[in-house]
Amino acid sequence: NAGVTQTPKFRILKIGQSMTLQCTQDMNHNYMYWYRQDPGMGLKLIYYSVGAGITDKGEVPNGYNVSRSTTEDFPLRLELAAPSQTSVYFCASSWAASYNSPLHFGNGTRLTVT
Amino acid sequence: GDSVTQMEGPVTLSEEAFLTINCTYTATGYPSLFWYVQYPGEGLQLLLKATKADDKGSNKGFEATYRKETTSFHLEKGSVQVSDSAVYFCALILNRDDKIIFGKGTRLHILP
Repeated sequence: NAGVTQTPKFRILKIGQSMTLQCTQDMNHNYMYWYRQDPGMGLKLIYYSVGAGITDKGEVPNGYNVSRSTTEDFPLRLELAAPSQTSVYFCASSWAASYNSPLHFGNGTRLTVT
Repeated sequence: GDSVTQMEGPVTLSEEAFLTINCTYTATGYPSLFWYVQYPGEGLQLLLKATKADDKGSNKGFEATYRKETTSFHLEKGSVQVSDSAVYFCALILNRDDKIIFGKGTRLHILP
């Protein structure tokens, strides 16, 4: 059982470049989330989705875009990378609203923008 | 707004020591409370949870009790092991809202 799979594990971008962080889950979970983790700052929610075709902004959506065309996949797009987007990015999924079921996290993507 | 405050880390203990990691919360309703753990190089995973006042969550020797009167959910373990070295996150969610709020995390180092 793979759970939540994120690719790539590491990436270095130059300012202004774009990239897509991939996330896929094989648990048939309805809810999916993207977080960023900055040192000493905990996790901040970027975007989330309650099902295929539905996405919504979290706390820190600026500079990012998402899509949810299938239940399994929830890619995160950075269009014009900036140094402030240097962070570790985590994708997560849950069966239902997270008060009722735990979040399952991927192992993260470490992104550096220089 | 709703928030979670954890003790600053890193916390360094010797093996078999008693562990407490403090967590307090501010919420406008009656949240469910969680502890998540992040081992090196991995994502977070749920350690334990409590959904109402006076509930005790427990897992892997860790315990935390939901204290409404002190708005706290402190994590405890009687005898830590080197394998407990990780970052621990306290979190809450309000039943009316889908989004979980995490604390900043507390890094724990256990020395052999």
